[in-house]
Amino acid sequence: DTGVSQDPRHKITKRGQNVTFRCDPISEHNRLYWYRQTLGQGPEFLTYFQNEAQLEKSRLLSDRFSAERPKGSFSTLEIQRTEQGDSAMYLCASSLGGLADTQYFGPGTRLTVL
Amino acid sequence: TQLLEQSPQFLSIQEGENLTVYCNSSSVFSSLQWYRQEPGEGPVLLVTVVTGGEVKKLKRLTFQFGDARKDSSLHITAAQPGDTGLYLCAGPNFGNEKLTFGTGTRLTIIP
Repeated sequence: DTGVSQDPRHKITKRGQNVTFRCDPISEHNRLYWYRQTLGQGPEFLTYFQNEAQLEKSRLLSDRFSAERPKGSFSTLEIQRTEQGDSAMYLCASSLGGLADTQYFGPGTRLTVL
Repeated sequence: TQLLEQSPQFLSIQEGENLTVYCNSSSVFSSLQWYRQEPGEGPVLLVTVVTGGEVKKLKRLTFQFGDARKDSSLHITAAQPGDTGLYLCAGPNFGNEKLTFGTGTRLTIIP
């Protein structure tokens, strides 16, 4: 257990539905990251926050994706109008920042879009 | 786009054998990290290497960072079934905060 928690662990939804995932980082960490991992691949960066500010978004993050970190603590990732191609493991990580920054990953949310 | 390529992609060996996994890039990284991931779980950090030429040992695992900071290797001595998993290298590019992950090496140790 790294101290980063994600909820739910598994989500099955039908195409076209909206889904929301939650990430609770390690409490003193001010950076929070979202990654997506498809089967057999390494994680790919989606977006990250420094406190409540969203500082970078990947081109992978289409208009159907939105992430928030309203009080600089937990974060949510919402996917609207899900598509089968959204099926993946969504990973959250947090870090303190600084030189040789270490990111600690949560267990992930496995999304299956039918 | 800065890429990290790992080799081999798959490796299946007998318990007790030694193995080496490689992580290579044409780009320079300020540091490299190695993670192990088990099915249905998030990656767990094994080590961070920061200095070019650095060697770190973690019990039976030896990690090396290339002198030019473009490559790294993971050597496991006397592999055990508990070493089975997906091994990922990852690094932040200079000036970026996000991690770029390697393609992964899926290791299976046969008892």
